[in-house]
Amino acid sequence: EVQLEQAGEEAKKPGESLKISCQASGFTLTDFWIGWVRQKPGEGLEWMGSIYPEDSDTRESPSFQGQVTMSVDLSINTAYLQWSSLKASDTAFYYCAREIVELGPPALNWFDLWGQGTRLTVSS
Amino acid sequence: QSVLTQPPSVSGTPGQRITISCSGSHSNIGTNTVNWYRHLPGMAPKLLIHSDNQRPSGVPDRFSGSRSGTSASLAISGLQSEDGADYYCAAWDDSLTGPVFGGGTKLAVL
Repeated sequence: EVQLEQAGEEAKKPGESLKISCQASGFTLTDFWIGWVRQKPGEGLEWMGSIYPEDSDTRESPSFQGQVTMSVDLSINTAYLQWSSLKASDTAFYYCAREIVELGPPALNWFDLWGQGTRLTVSS
Repeated sequence: QSVLTQPPSVSGTPGQRITISCSGSHSNIGTNTVNWYRHLPGMAPKLLIHSDNQRPSGVPDRFSGSRSGTSASLAISGLQSEDGADYYCAAWDDSLTGPVFGGGTKLAVL
């Protein structure tokens, strides 16, 4: 079955570090971009950035540059999103998604497969 | 504040046809194609429409999309109770070199 698997929940304190995972099955990570999308409580979806696992090339939203690090481990077909020092404002759902990108114009870009999301709570 | 603008909510009754609008600018919808996602909180979002009007396999033809100028819309015909969810538009933004989303529209099936 083609899917992206994410851990359900993480609970951390401010200042702690965290690495959340997104494991692909049924397809090879190197064939696609993998994007990360945040949803804060009561808010909409927000693109954070994307990584191309074949060469670890990344695209980041300016809103998240320097705040998170994206990486991959091709040996286990897994992508990661990492924080070095969490803040309470990082409390949110984090989704990974398989991304189709064809630069144009017009650019064709969509997320065709999503993980179930990791719910992150950062609280003292 | 989302880059793309959607109405916060729409409602309809079973069997009805509704539309959800999505407004952007030249750097996103004005130049690039639009996608639509359905999302139930805590669940994986689902791709409904890509490239303005293309339905992935398994999405019923009750769902259709269109784009004109800097706006796009999603139409749902034959509304069903299970269509109640949040709907998001998204498009590539040339200034961001990445996708931007609308703020989401909550569809209530009365």
